[in-house]
Amino acid sequence: QQQVKQSPQSLIVQKGGISIINCAYENTAFDYFPWYQQFPGKGPALLIAIRPDVSEKKEGRFTISFNKSAKQFSLHIMDSQPGDSATYFCAASFQSGTYKYIFGTGTRLKVLA
Amino acid sequence: DTAVSQTPKYLVTQMGNDKSIKCEQNLGHDTMYWYKQDSKKFLKIMFSYNNKELIINETVPNRFSPKSPDKAHLNLHINSLELGDSAVYFCASSQDWGGARALHFGNGTRLTVT
Repeated sequence: QQQVKQSPQSLIVQKGGISIINCAYENTAFDYFPWYQQFPGKGPALLIAIRPDVSEKKEGRFTISFNKSAKQFSLHIMDSQPGDSATYFCAASFQSGTYKYIFGTGTRLKVLA
Repeated sequence: DTAVSQTPKYLVTQMGNDKSIKCEQNLGHDTMYWYKQDSKKFLKIMFSYNNKELIINETVPNRFSPKSPDKAHLNLHINSLELGDSAVYFCASSQDWGGARALHFGNGTRLTVT
């Protein structure tokens, strides 16, 4: 019940296209949903995050869409660029004593020039 | 002015050895974590410390022992290393108040056990 399911495992997009990565969860105790971006040899870095009282959040070319009833959320990367090529992780967090984070399995995105 | 720093970046050692990884954060965060990332990129929590107190211990073998001398440092000591311990280990920190909850990761320590 604490799993976060992420798809697809890998994604290839043409430059200028839209990249879409989906995540689903089961535990309704989750109350914070961040997305992390990881480049080779680096640690994951927070990209954008949303709380369940909001259905969408946009920061530049990155948008999170959140569907509370379906327990799903997704990351949309508009006008994808080769520099966006990285591994993306969704995560869900809830408080149990301290905050716990459950990560999705990651999506390897490649944007072709 | 690195926020979360880990040393060493690479660690190559033989089975049976004991090794340590050090982590320091200068963000003033109260909570620090160790995560393990395997070859398939899965990120799995190992430990969490809040103000030097162990909060989360996720079914990690006893060979792994975290130590937090103060809230800015969280070290990981591994005894009797095994081949299956080969992975990238990430230290992270977060601030658990004021609505700011984001995890800040270090750049990882790639451990290779031969």
